[in-house]
Amino acid sequence: DIQMTQSPSSLSASAGDRVTITCRASQSISSYLNWYQQKPGKAPKLLIFAASSLQSGAPSRFSASGSGTDFTLTLSSLQPEDFATYYCQQSYSTPCTFGQGTKLEIK
Amino acid sequence: QVQLQESGPGLVKPSETLSLTCTVSGDSISSYYWTWIRQPPGKGLEWIGYIYYTGSTNYNPSLKSRVTISVDTSKNQFSLNLSSVTAADTAVYYCARGQRGSYTNLDYWGQGTLVTVSS
Repeated sequence: DIQMTQSPSSLSASAGDRVTITCRASQSISSYLNWYQQKPGKAPKLLIFAASSLQSGAPSRFSASGSGTDFTLTLSSLQPEDFATYYCQQSYSTPCTFGQGTKLEIK
Repeated sequence: QVQLQESGPGLVKPSETLSLTCTVSGDSISSYYWTWIRQPPGKGLEWIGYIYYTGSTNYNPSLKSRVTISVDTSKNQFSLNLSSVTAADTAVYYCARGQRGSYTNLDYWGQGTLVTVSS
């Protein structure tokens, strides 16, 4: 299985901040990388697919990049509703695997 | 608007079979891949497997010997059976849809249902 490692595991920030979350794959996955946002008690929501494509309905303050083994998700100006847990997911091969999550908290 | 809704028992005894159904509304189940994901309390996401509307499946090897996913296109539903459950199978179970042509880019999700394995 391909292992996905996110950093940091948790992050404190303030509204208006710019934050970056990284995700590293244990082997090259080309651009087969998705990002999800999950709020407490809710299902995950697809934000980014294919490493950098913004899912319909996702705010444009979310952007992402990367290929191969290293990927980043950037939130350009944090809004109160962005405080959540973020997961990366490799879609290169089955079993699809997720990172352990990055919890973004209010400072 | 596509909606998915999981249903099934919230409590299952050890060694028994966990059975869940996902009902899809707002679109046909045809032409898409349909996935089950689970999340133990306070932990991360685990992919269980998917089914295509034609019935072809792909399961996580870690669960393959115990998992069956089936589809009923006439009812616009798909189902998960997980046999010989233990406490380690306690989790919120989500059903989800893959974007058209993808079994991994999960664009619609059910709200999730907590299944507890306990005697």
